[in-house]
Amino acid sequence: NAGVTQTPKFQVLKTGQSMTLQCAQDMNHEYMSWYRQDPGMGLRLIHYSVGAGITDQGEVPNGYNVSRSTTEDFPLRLLSAAPSQTSVYFCASSYSPRDNSGNTIYFGEGSWLTVV
Amino acid sequence: SQQGEEDPQALSIQEGENATMNCSYKTSINNLQWYRQNSGRGLVHLILIRSNEREKHSGRLRVTLDTSKKSSSLLITASRAADTASYFCATDPQTGANNLFFGTGTRLTVIP
Repeated sequence: NAGVTQTPKFQVLKTGQSMTLQCAQDMNHEYMSWYRQDPGMGLRLIHYSVGAGITDQGEVPNGYNVSRSTTEDFPLRLLSAAPSQTSVYFCASSYSPRDNSGNTIYFGEGSWLTVV
Repeated sequence: SQQGEEDPQALSIQEGENATMNCSYKTSINNLQWYRQNSGRGLVHLILIRSNEREKHSGRLRVTLDTSKKSSSLLITASRAADTASYFCATDPQTGANNLFFGTGTRLTVIP
């Protein structure tokens, strides 16, 4: 299994541009999510999905859109990039947020985004 | 915010010493998890402790949980240079939400 795969690894955007961060998992996980990580602030949840066709907002959803048309894919769209969105983005997945084994999360390797 | 907070923010020790990191949180939880992040990489799950457990071991890792104080600790025994990384606690709150809330992390440096 490849696990959770994110692309691109690095991206520089100009203010106002839009782009999509891709995320795919091959573990048949129901639950997928996007976090951003900023220095000294830990990880903050942007959006999440508990299954195909279902998405919901996390702590910091403004400026981002998501969709979940398949179990495997969960792209994150930046609609109009702003310098405040400069961050490291992590996609993650798990079997279920409420299974008996606990909702252990598997992370991708991250996408470094700079908005200038 | 439901984020946890780790203490200390940074820790530097000699190889072979033990490293202890603490996590405090604010709400009642289903479980608490610890993750490790090497520089420039994603987070990797280390250990999960449920709210009805007080202590758990995995190799050189020992995790304790005190729900009355809303705190947890991660002990790494006989540390190695390869343990150098950031460590995060994550809480699964009893709010019905489907998410984990991560702390701000402890940066551990193990000096060879």
